[in-house]
Amino acid sequence: DAGVIQSPRHEVTEMGQEVTLRCKPISGHDYLFWYRQTMMRGLELLIYFNNNVPIDDSGMPEDRFSAKMPNASFSTLKIQPSEPRDSAVYFCASSAGPNNRDIQYFGAGTRLSVL
Amino acid sequence: QKEVEQDPGPLSVPEGAIVSLNCTYSNSAFQYFMWYRQYSRKGPELLMYTYSSGNKEDGRFTAQVDKSSKYISLFIRDSQPSDSATYLCAMRRNDYKLSFGAGTTVTVRA
Repeated sequence: DAGVIQSPRHEVTEMGQEVTLRCKPISGHDYLFWYRQTMMRGLELLIYFNNNVPIDDSGMPEDRFSAKMPNASFSTLKIQPSEPRDSAVYFCASSAGPNNRDIQYFGAGTRLSVL
Repeated sequence: QKEVEQDPGPLSVPEGAIVSLNCTYSNSAFQYFMWYRQYSRKGPELLMYTYSSGNKEDGRFTAQVDKSSKYISLFIRDSQPSDSATYLCAMRRNDYKLSFGAGTTVTVRA
């Protein structure tokens, strides 16, 4: 398996633009997580899905952020409109639960810069 | 106060030394404890996980959990330059939400 695949690897955009980050989890994994990593706040969970259903989105910072999982092999995290403070590395992770819930496999991340 | 406290370092040690990392936490509801390793420009990868107090060993790595003190540790024996990375502790309650420490950056000098 190729692991968790995220795209794009880097994104540079201007303030006010819409940004869409993409994630393909490991096949067969039924949990998907979106994280954000910054120097100031470290690694924070934004939202997670189980069987394509959002379970907990309490980490989503604002209404400007939204996430979807239309099927078991694809998820998106959208920021609209983007702001400079959204600049961070965004990670997607997946796991096969429930007995393997702690073994989360992370993608390589998307480095977002909002100018 | 953050739920999980971890000294960000950086920590620099000579090759072959023992690396000692630790985290403290404030919420006694945390039941499951993990250590992730993150190389530069990469995603974190799970290194160790423990579900109870005590020690767990895996090769050169030993994880310790002391729930009474709310303190967890990771030891790396015979450290190698390839161990140079950021190490993040993580923990969770009886759900799927992991709370991460800030990460400690470790450099092992050849």
